[in-house]
Amino acid sequence: NAGVTQTPKFQVLKTGQSMTLQCAQDMNHNSMYWYRQDPGMGLRLIYYSASEGTTDKGEVPNGYNVSRLNKREFSLRLESAAPSQTSVYFCASSEISATRSGRNTEAFFGQGTRLTVV
Amino acid sequence: QKEVEQDPGPLSVPEGAIVSLNCTYSNSAFQYFMWYRQYSRKGPELLMYTYSSGNKEDGRFTAQVDKSSKYISLFIRDSQPSDSATYLCAMSAIQGAQKLVFGQGTRLTINP
Repeated sequence: NAGVTQTPKFQVLKTGQSMTLQCAQDMNHNSMYWYRQDPGMGLRLIYYSASEGTTDKGEVPNGYNVSRLNKREFSLRLESAAPSQTSVYFCASSEISATRSGRNTEAFFGQGTRLTVV
Repeated sequence: QKEVEQDPGPLSVPEGAIVSLNCTYSNSAFQYFMWYRQYSRKGPELLMYTYSSGNKEDGRFTAQVDKSSKYISLFIRDSQPSDSATYLCAMSAIQGAQKLVFGQGTRLTINP
């Protein structure tokens, strides 16, 4: 059981270049998320998709776009990379249905993509 | 002021010590509380989950939530070098991870 798989693991971009980060989950989760992790800032939500066909902005969406390709896959695109987007990016997913104890609040993370923009 | 405050450390203790990690928060509506463990160059993995107040124990790990003080803790007993990692607290007022708020993470090193 692979869980959440992200590609690539590492990437170096030049300012202005574009790229797409790929994410796939095999846990049949409805909801998927993209976070960035920066030193001293913790994890911050970029975009999320509550279910297939829907996407919503998180805390720091500027400079990013997302696509929920199907239930398994959720991609993050940088159209014109900037040095401020140098970060570690994590994809995550969570369970489908709400429960009394709120277990669908738990997020399961991929291994991360280390992106450097020069 | 951040919604969730966590001392980033680093924290270094000898093997076998009891470790206490803490987070404070300002939003009284938080009711779902989590601790994640993140090894170097890996993704966070869920360690403990608590709904509302109280204690939860899982092996050497105990999570405590004190909603009256807006304070959560993670205790690690008989700490091992394999516990060396960054520990992140996370919490939410509503169901669904889209509103999870994370602490900065505390870097912990257990010395043999």
